[in-house]
Amino acid sequence: GAGVSQSPSNKVTEKGKDVELRCDPISGHTALYWYRQSLGQGLEFLIYFQGNSAPDKSGLPSDRFSAERTGGSVSTLTIQRTQQEDSAVYLCASSAQTGSYIDEQYFGPGTRLTVT
Amino acid sequence: KQEVTQIPAALSVPEGENLVLNCSFTDSAIYNLQWFRQDPGKGLTSLLLIQSSQREQTSGRLNASLDKSSGRSTLYIAASQPGDSATYLCAGKSGAGSYQLTFGKGTKLSVIP
Repeated sequence: GAGVSQSPSNKVTEKGKDVELRCDPISGHTALYWYRQSLGQGLEFLIYFQGNSAPDKSGLPSDRFSAERTGGSVSTLTIQRTQQEDSAVYLCASSAQTGSYIDEQYFGPGTRLTVT
Repeated sequence: KQEVTQIPAALSVPEGENLVLNCSFTDSAIYNLQWFRQDPGKGLTSLLLIQSSQREQTSGRLNASLDKSSGRSTLYIAASQPGDSATYLCAGKSGAGSYQLTFGKGTKLSVIP
């Protein structure tokens, strides 16, 4: 079956512009996660959606970052007034369930964001 | 707060050699641990997931172990091949109520033909 897909694969934007990154999870997966991988850094958690519950936004680095998930499926991560330090690879993952030993996360190919 | 460390940051081995990648974590109340592979410019491919009640998992030439008491996991790769060259990441999930993965910074493996 289809895996997690993300678009665009690459995005170059000017400092101060807004960007939207899209994630389409594996069909039937109720949990969706956004992570960020910066050069020289590990992956850091940004935000988590589970079903119709309120998302956990505790990992978002600033109020310029927001995300939504429509219809329990596709998610959009929005970064407003982009800064150069926002340059990173943004990875989306989905899983079938949480709180389970077998809750394996499957990752998309990522969106490489470059802020000039 | 869970912290995950991977040492070394880079490893180079000749083709055919068996090798072990190391991962250590600070919170022994780990729920599961997942090993991933990342090729340059690509996303993460899940290799193995070990539940906290398990000691090891095997898939083909890969074997992952988990020792909660010592806070360590290892990924064993048998008969390495040039195609195994990639960055290997381990990530832990702590607690039943937790959902985010805490990642190490990875070990970049180069298998020399």
